[in-house]
Amino acid sequence: DTEVTQTPKHLVMGMTNKKSLKCEQHMGHRAMYWYKQKAKKPPELMFVYSYEKLSINESVPSRFSPECPNSSLLNLHLHALQPEDSALYLCASSRLFGTTNEKLFFGSGTQLSVL
Amino acid sequence: GNSVTQMEGPVTLSEEAFLTINCTYTATGYPSLFWYVQYPGEGLQLLLKATKADDKGSNKGFEATYRKETTSFHLEKGSVQVSDSAVYFCALSDYSGGSNYKLTFGKGTLLTVNP
Repeated sequence: DTEVTQTPKHLVMGMTNKKSLKCEQHMGHRAMYWYKQKAKKPPELMFVYSYEKLSINESVPSRFSPECPNSSLLNLHLHALQPEDSALYLCASSRLFGTTNEKLFFGSGTQLSVL
Repeated sequence: GNSVTQMEGPVTLSEEAFLTINCTYTATGYPSLFWYVQYPGEGLQLLLKATKADDKGSNKGFEATYRKETTSFHLEKGSVQVSDSAVYFCALSDYSGGSNYKLTFGKGTLLTVNP
């Protein structure tokens, strides 16, 4: 199994809603990532978890709250988002974090629209 | 800091044409270099990588050679197919201080192959 599975595929939410994005991998990878991708732009790193501990937070607003409950799961909790947060949210995993030649495996993403 | 510059798209080719997508980089250390591909509606997939100077990465008929003297990692394919239509991202992974190993993406190049 070389897949990273993200749910839901599409999400529409209002600015007062609370929702969560989910990501799962069963490759035994110990590093998991959240990226944000706006249309026709490259992915931007948001968070990195290594061995279930938050290693990198790229100064992301607190309305985005990541959680890594175990080595296979990664969540992104969303609260009080703004319309400009509408984007494709990509989850990725890699065997380890901390070497330059790690291959990242990406999920298909959650297309989020904030109304 | 690190940066990746790739040729502006979109690139439109006929089937069986030769493809080159230029990529140059700036890095402070000894980066690994990658090409990722994103098909419509999907996440990114690793296409090929090279981890040191003069290494050649290859996959599915695509090739790229890590040229330290010209700080380049150009993507080539001898005969493109309609199924190669996608967005191609050049990326580098380097140590950016502390415990940070960051993947830096270029802006992406949209390739359309017509039958």
